[in-house]
Amino acid sequence: AQSVSQHNHHVILSEAASLELGCNYSYGGTVNLFWYVQYPGQHLQLLLKYFSGDPLVKGIKGFEAEFIKSKFSFNLRKPSVQWSDTAEYFCAVNPNNAGNMLTFGGGTRLMVKP
Amino acid sequence: DGGITQSPKYLFRKEGQNVTLSCEQNLNHDAMYWYRQDPGQGLRLIYYSQIVNDFQKGDIAEGYSVSREKKESFPLTVTSAQKNPTAFYLCASSTPQGIYGYTFGSGTRLTVV
Repeated sequence: AQSVSQHNHHVILSEAASLELGCNYSYGGTVNLFWYVQYPGQHLQLLLKYFSGDPLVKGIKGFEAEFIKSKFSFNLRKPSVQWSDTAEYFCAVNPNNAGNMLTFGGGTRLMVKP
Repeated sequence: DGGITQSPKYLFRKEGQNVTLSCEQNLNHDAMYWYRQDPGQGLRLIYYSQIVNDFQKGDIAEGYSVSREKKESFPLTVTSAQKNPTAFYLCASSTPQGIYGYTFGSGTRLTVV
């Protein structure tokens, strides 16, 4: 079955450490890709998205993600995390032949120690 | 401000009772969705609606029902047939174009007591 995989379920980092969260998908065609963030007690917010052009996309709060088509990956990165980045992060994929339907990964809980 | 309003934020239900969760949007979005979020399981799609008066089952529709009588509203009823209803429920909406992603509400936490 087509799916979205986030292999790291829990990540613990110290402040100023670099972050990379993995996201892989199994759709073979053209896709639109998203990262959402859910801060404690808040709703999901869009962090960044890719649908065409430069495969390196920059989002809010210093986050970026790189689309590597050959690896079916869309990993999220941040050079130096802050305590306020503690949240759950969700990768989502919209295949171009699926209209507006998103499929979400299982999420990664990030805890940043001050 | 445009957005999605879910109410109530917290809801307690006795076993055997049906309960309805509200979701209202003023974004003029055609599509609306209901997700269930459980720890370690990500977001699972319950129902979705692409247009008024039409809706489709998602991956875990059993024990749930919805209606879409108005573009702005997509209420979810958790019925007594849902075996494990305690969860966090998220409503979302979107345009027909997939490139814009979804806008989410702040969620309703349902606890069965």
